[in-house]
Amino acid sequence: AQSVTQLGSHVSVSEGALVLLRCNYSSSVPPYLFWYVQYPNQGLQLLLKYTSAATLVKGINGFEAEFKKSETSFHLTKPSAHMSDAAEYFCAVSERDDKIIFGKGTRLHILP
Amino acid sequence: GAVVSQHPSWVICKSGTSVKIECRSLDFQATTMFWYRQFPKQSLMLMATSNEGSKATYEQGVEKDKFLINHASLTLSTLTVTSAHPEDSSFYICSARVGPFTGELFFGEGSRLTVL
Repeated sequence: AQSVTQLGSHVSVSEGALVLLRCNYSSSVPPYLFWYVQYPNQGLQLLLKYTSAATLVKGINGFEAEFKKSETSFHLTKPSAHMSDAAEYFCAVSERDDKIIFGKGTRLHILP
Repeated sequence: GAVVSQHPSWVICKSGTSVKIECRSLDFQATTMFWYRQFPKQSLMLMATSNEGSKATYEQGVEKDKFLINHASLTLSTLTVTSAHPEDSSFYICSARVGPFTGELFFGEGSRLTVL
């Protein structure tokens, strides 16, 4: 069965600094991988997804993630943090079907 | 992108009563919808998969009689929490797939249930 591990339940970065949110996955088949963002009391919005095309995936709001099969990782990065990036971020995996398994989430704090 | 709307956003009820939460796809037809439960500061837990015109498929450990799911049309799925208790208090989120599986789901805004 697939699973997702997000390292760090809270990450704080200064405005303008690099954002790095870590995600490792486990899957018995080539996976689909996702990053979603959740703002308080709202649903989830897809940031980006990997579905076996290019390993470097670009998403919305300047975020990108790189699929590294050898490391079973799909870390999310953004070169320069903005205050509006403060939110909860979820990494998720699917074994190419509708059942998407979410990680526990990482709350990103942006320091002024 | 596709829009999924949930109603109500907030609901408070007394213990022992039933509460219905609606999930609507506003600008597309959703043959499949998903219901998640999110505990405070935790991840989303898939509760069930709702298929239009057929019975929902529940995940292991989710009580079918407690959480009734109905998907009577291509744009509406409902989750009814029956005989609610304080431990049912949670954030419930639905999502829907547009067309064949592409890996992307569209999520509703969520519904926060508080059972007194």
